[in-house]
Amino acid sequence: EDKVVQSPLSLVVHEGDTVTLNCSYEVTNFRSLLWYKQEKKAPTFLFMLTSSGIEKKSGRLSSILDKKELFSILNITATQTGDSAVYLCAVVASVDSNYQLIWGAGTKLIIKP
Amino acid sequence: DVKVTQSSRYLVKRTGEKVFLECVQDMDHENMFWYRQDPGLGLRLIYFSYDVKMKEKGDIPEGYSVSREKKERFSLILESASTNQTSMYLCASRGTGYNEQFFGPGTRLTVL
Repeated sequence: EDKVVQSPLSLVVHEGDTVTLNCSYEVTNFRSLLWYKQEKKAPTFLFMLTSSGIEKKSGRLSSILDKKELFSILNITATQTGDSAVYLCAVVASVDSNYQLIWGAGTKLIIKP
Repeated sequence: DVKVTQSSRYLVKRTGEKVFLECVQDMDHENMFWYRQDPGLGLRLIYFSYDVKMKEKGDIPEGYSVSREKKERFSLILESASTNQTSMYLCASRGTGYNEQFFGPGTRLTVL
């Protein structure tokens, strides 16, 4: 059965700290891995990763994929209170000629001032 | 920008009532999805649709049905609402050949 596991489930750090969020997966017909940030409303897209070892970067956020070990990490440096959110990981799998998303449960990140 | 809208942000219904949640997208996307989100369980797929009048069960379809009469609109129906259907409901759409899903703002449904 396909599954995506995120860790930790929750994390509390102080402003300025660096955090690393993990996403491991066991999915047949892997196509790509997506990271989303969800505050109070709907998830917003952060990164899409398809190739191993190529870092994607956006400001203080970065992410990388390891297709051999089947995991991805999301790094946030110099955290700010506005980074407090649930971070969701999803793996896109091919099913016939269509795609399915398999979601992790999310990591709840709280940044204390 | 893709826009996905949902008919209500907050909804309170009574047990046994029929509930309609509507989702509209304006990007001519073929694929639309309904998820529910509960604490610690992440996003769980209820139903999805790859084309007009086409629907497929997701992981947790029991107690729900859907309707896709027009390409831009995907409705989720709770035939007889129950308290265990209290949740946040998220609609999403995706263009064929693309990985990213675009989400609506969500409907927080409370069934009393």
